[in-house]
Amino acid sequence: QKEVEQDPGPLSVPEGAIVSLNCTYSNSAFQYFMWYRQYSRKGPELLMYTYSSGNKEDGRFTAQVDKSSKYISLFIRDSQPSDSATYLCAMRGAIGGYQKVTFGTGTKLQVIP
Amino acid sequence: NAGVTQTPKFRILKIGQSMTLQCTQDMNHNYMYWYRQDPGMGLKLIYYSVGAGITDKGEVPNGYNVSRSTTEDFPLRLELAAPSQTSVYFCASSPEDRMNTEAFFGQGTRLTVV
Repeated sequence: QKEVEQDPGPLSVPEGAIVSLNCTYSNSAFQYFMWYRQYSRKGPELLMYTYSSGNKEDGRFTAQVDKSSKYISLFIRDSQPSDSATYLCAMRGAIGGYQKVTFGTGTKLQVIP
Repeated sequence: NAGVTQTPKFRILKIGQSMTLQCTQDMNHNYMYWYRQDPGMGLKLIYYSVGAGITDKGEVPNGYNVSRSTTEDFPLRLELAAPSQTSVYFCASSPEDRMNTEAFFGQGTRLTVV
């Protein structure tokens, strides 16, 4: 079982739709949860990170963490063509004596005008 | 403010050749990282550094070496290139108080070993 599972997509939605991107994880040592956006042939850029269970909102983006279910989500409201990218979840925790960050494989999102 | 700069952007190597991927950051971050990204595999940590003179292995260090003589620079050395090292390589940095929950990535180096 992978430590972090993420559906690779691609996910195709019409402009203005609400997008839901999800990751599950198996290691309860993960305490910090991040979402990165990666445009084609570019490096990832951090969108949001959160520590606790619950929701965190930033503009059109909402990150949700459910530690009891080991499940995290990123919601994008009023999606725009400029949101078309690959979204990577990432998690950090004390594993093997150091702070380890594990990335999901990414979900490719296409927002169609 | 350039952020994290990687050179070269693209490179083709022959099996057995060596090369150094350059990475420099101008944000005065102590933490720096090298990742490789392969299709369907996510980002894998190769090496990381918590400050000048201090480096440590990540998840997939075999076939690579690093050095950190200054805060700004964190080069990655490939010795005896192999086809399995064909990948996209990303350098990243983060401020100490964010550790690697807030990493700033470079644009990547696409390496093909033939």
